Amino acid sequence: GQNIDQPTEMTATEGAIVQINCTYQTSGFNGLFWYQQHAGEAPTFLSYNVLDGLEEKGRFSSFLSRSKGYSYLLLKELQMKDSASYLCAVTFPSGGSYIPTFGRGTSLIVHP
Amino acid sequence: DSGVTQTPKHLITATGQRVTLRCSPRSGDLSVYWYQQSLDQGLQFLIQYYNGEERAKGNILERFSAQQFPDLHSELNLSSLELGDSALYFCASSPGTGTGSYEQYFGPGTRLTVT
Repeated sequence: GQNIDQPTEMTATEGAIVQINCTYQTSGFNGLFWYQQHAGEAPTFLSYNVLDGLEEKGRFSSFLSRSKGYSYLLLKELQMKDSASYLCAVTFPSGGSYIPTFGRGTSLIVHP
Repeated sequence: DSGVTQTPKHLITATGQRVTLRCSPRSGDLSVYWYQQSLDQGLQFLIQYYNGEERAKGNILERFSAQQFPDLHSELNLSSLELGDSALYFCASSPGTGTGSYEQYFGPGTRLTVT
């Protein structure tokens, strides 16, 4: 199966910037999603990267390097509500479809 | 609100029993995905249906089965339940088969507790 690595937990201060890294095996890779999940709630979509480079969307940006099997999610101007788990998901082709394999998630704690 | 609905929200049952979880996708979405999320395993893909047909299978046990009906709603059947099946079960939908950049919209989940 696919090995997706991301840190288990990170802490940061309100107003600061935090970068959450994700590494994966490159063989067969199609694209990479980032989802946010608050405790006990459903994951919600943040970004999708299929080409190398940085995609910016408001306070959140996501970067991908296909050759290095590496992505990061950058959160700027952190707010308390950003405390959540951030899931990296890598998609691979499977029988005409593309199925995401999720990492274990990075629990981000934002403190005042 | 993602537009994906799941029922029931909570389910408590005993070992050995059988339960059915239900999911209605967003209007217009043809693909339905089922996931299991437990504390020790994270979010695990179980199975995908597209327009009534099984499209991809993940780590789904033989005791589990699913189907997608003509009106596109889907049901996940879990039988001979074990304590380890206690988890959050999410359904997600997307417009296509999963090709391209289709994001998945997740329902609120069904929390299953097996006692």
